[in-house]
Amino acid sequence: QKEVEQNSGPLSVPEGAIASLNCTYSDRGSQSFFWYRQYSGKSPELIMSIYSNGDKEDGRFTAQLNKASQYVSLLIRDSQPSDSATYLCAVTVNFGNEKLTFGTGTRLTIIP
Amino acid sequence: NAGVMQNPRHLVRRRGQEARLRCSPMKGHSHVYWYRQLPEEGLKFMVYLQKENIIDESGMPKERFSAEFPKEGPSILRIQQVVRGDSAAYFCASSPMDRYEQYFGPGTRLTVT
Repeated sequence: QKEVEQNSGPLSVPEGAIASLNCTYSDRGSQSFFWYRQYSGKSPELIMSIYSNGDKEDGRFTAQLNKASQYVSLLIRDSQPSDSATYLCAVTVNFGNEKLTFGTGTRLTIIP
Repeated sequence: NAGVMQNPRHLVRRRGQEARLRCSPMKGHSHVYWYRQLPEEGLKFMVYLQKENIIDESGMPKERFSAEFPKEGPSILRIQQVVRGDSAAYFCASSPMDRYEQYFGPGTRLTVT
């Protein structure tokens, strides 16, 4: 079983709609959860971090965490063509050693 | 506030040569992480360093790879006797001592011919 799993996609969403990205993780001791956006040929860009159960909103982005289900998601409202990218879910297990374990990413395409 | 800096951005080496990749963390950040992204694969952790200390090198190949983060100067990832399979994008990330978010540099794209 992979430590962090994401649907590879591609996921196609019409412009203006809500894009929903999902991630599951295997280690119940996981402490911190992150979403990164990576455009082709570029480096990962941090867009959201979440540490406790529930929702966290930042602009058009909402991260949701459910530790009991070992599930974290990212919602993108009012999707724009510039949101087309690969979205990476990342998890850390230990406070004190925050090495990130990444999923393989979901490729999102926003259709104008 | 300048971001994480990496150089060179592109590096071409022949098989058997050495590759040195440099990373300067964001100002105020004392933790440095190196990750590797092979073509069409995910990002994989390699090593975690603080000043003058290697905290976790569990993701580093046992041979030919080494990393350091000296008291002064950038962090260095060194690959000796490169092989074609080392061709990848190498990313450095940094974080401050009291927070967990990591910020990535632009990466070094290594091509071994």
